[in-house]
Amino acid sequence: GQQLNQSPQSMFIQEGEDVSMNCTSSSIFNTWLWYKQEPGEGPVLLIALYKAGELTSNGRLTAQFGITRKDSFLNISASIPSDVGIYFCAGPKYNNNDMRFGAGTRLTVKP
Amino acid sequence: NAGVTQTPKFQVLKTGQSMTLQCAQDMNHEYMSWYRQDPGMGLRLIHYSVGAGITDQGEVPNGYNVSRSTTEDFPLRLLSAAPSQTSVYFCASTRAGVGDEQFFGPGTRLTVL
Repeated sequence: GQQLNQSPQSMFIQEGEDVSMNCTSSSIFNTWLWYKQEPGEGPVLLIALYKAGELTSNGRLTAQFGITRKDSFLNISASIPSDVGIYFCAGPKYNNNDMRFGAGTRLTVKP
Repeated sequence: NAGVTQTPKFQVLKTGQSMTLQCAQDMNHEYMSWYRQDPGMGLRLIHYSVGAGITDQGEVPNGYNVSRSTTEDFPLRLLSAAPSQTSVYFCASTRAGVGDEQFFGPGTRLTVL
């Protein structure tokens, strides 16, 4: 099937550090979405990207839609303890309503 | 607005039993979907609906049925539960298409013995 490959699988960082994670696919996506999931809850949308090359920020978060449309990056600057959670990339299959999610990057922030 | 609600929150079934997971939204969203989440994996789409009376299969539809008789409700039925269906199930809704922001419910944790 059409897979989204996220890396790294997990990260352990110190409070205040910057974080970078990415998502790649062998197929083209027209939309990239980044979600965060906290324990016991459903995912919450952080950033949505709709155009190749697009760079979008949401507070300390910045995400980019890769030029090839096969990848996307999420950066978190000056991490804080409440950034802890699992970050997922997601996108609909090309020309379809079928949504795909990556396996997630689990972020741990040490105070 | 309550957003997306799911019931029950937890459920234990025996192999072969049937049950329905309930999902409702009060945002008048057209698009609703069901996902399952297994340890170490992302969410996988089971079924989705683009409006009342319209449903379609996602990535992992086998063993599950859905119907969409109203805009608000999108129940997920397990006809004969199997241990492989042990998972956390999330329902989501979005105002427009799948590329729009999805609002997720709190999840149902299902264990099949």
